[in-house]
Amino acid sequence: AQTVTQSQPEMSVQEAETVTLSCTYDTSESDYYLFWYKQPPSRQMILVIRQEAYKQQNATENRFSVNFQKAAKSFSLKISDSQLGDAAMYFCAYRSALMIKAAGNKLTFGGGTRVLVKP
Amino acid sequence: GAGVSQSPSNKVTEKGKDVELRCDPISGHTALYWYRQSLGQGLEFLIYFQGNSAPDKSGLPSDRFSAERTGGSVSTLTIQRTEQRDSAMYRCASSGGRGIITDTQYFGPGTRLTVL
Repeated sequence: AQTVTQSQPEMSVQEAETVTLSCTYDTSESDYYLFWYKQPPSRQMILVIRQEAYKQQNATENRFSVNFQKAAKSFSLKISDSQLGDAAMYFCAYRSALMIKAAGNKLTFGGGTRVLVKP
Repeated sequence: GAGVSQSPSNKVTEKGKDVELRCDPISGHTALYWYRQSLGQGLEFLIYFQGNSAPDKSGLPSDRFSAERTGGSVSTLTIQRTEQRDSAMYRCASSGGRGIITDTQYFGPGTRLTVL
């Protein structure tokens, strides 16, 4: 079974600075997808960024970028130019690419990292 | 609809009562998922529907939990004889199910269940 670990319960960052959230995962599969979801106080779950494991290039979405290290099974999220609206819980998630198995469709989540942004 | 909706947004019940949680997925989405999020923890998978069938029920914690989906749309998660440990946020997500690359799961706002 796959596991996802976020070792930082909470991170604090000054507005306009950069913060990096760590995520490691354990899997025996070679093809999969990784995600970062944001959960603000509004209780929404918002997809921030997605990475396909077969792609070597790191995904980027505006101020959000990832450092995907497949061999190390590491998937960190970097938030650049942090804004007050970035304050939220961030969850890393894993999904198998094996559509032939029913279990390939579910997301496995880490425990989350709370990001605090100081003005 | 524009997004995944869930009702009620909050539910307080007494131990031993049954509760029903509803999820309306994004129109046209064939796949539907239920997750549970306990306080301070990540989301835990419960069950997955493709159309009206549930190929993966592996996350349901006990036989007190059941779910159904009708018409390939609305899903109901039922918890019988609720216990205090069932208190959590229950989230629903849906996806197009048409292909891996576009199979992003979109989440609803959740139902916060409190069992007294």
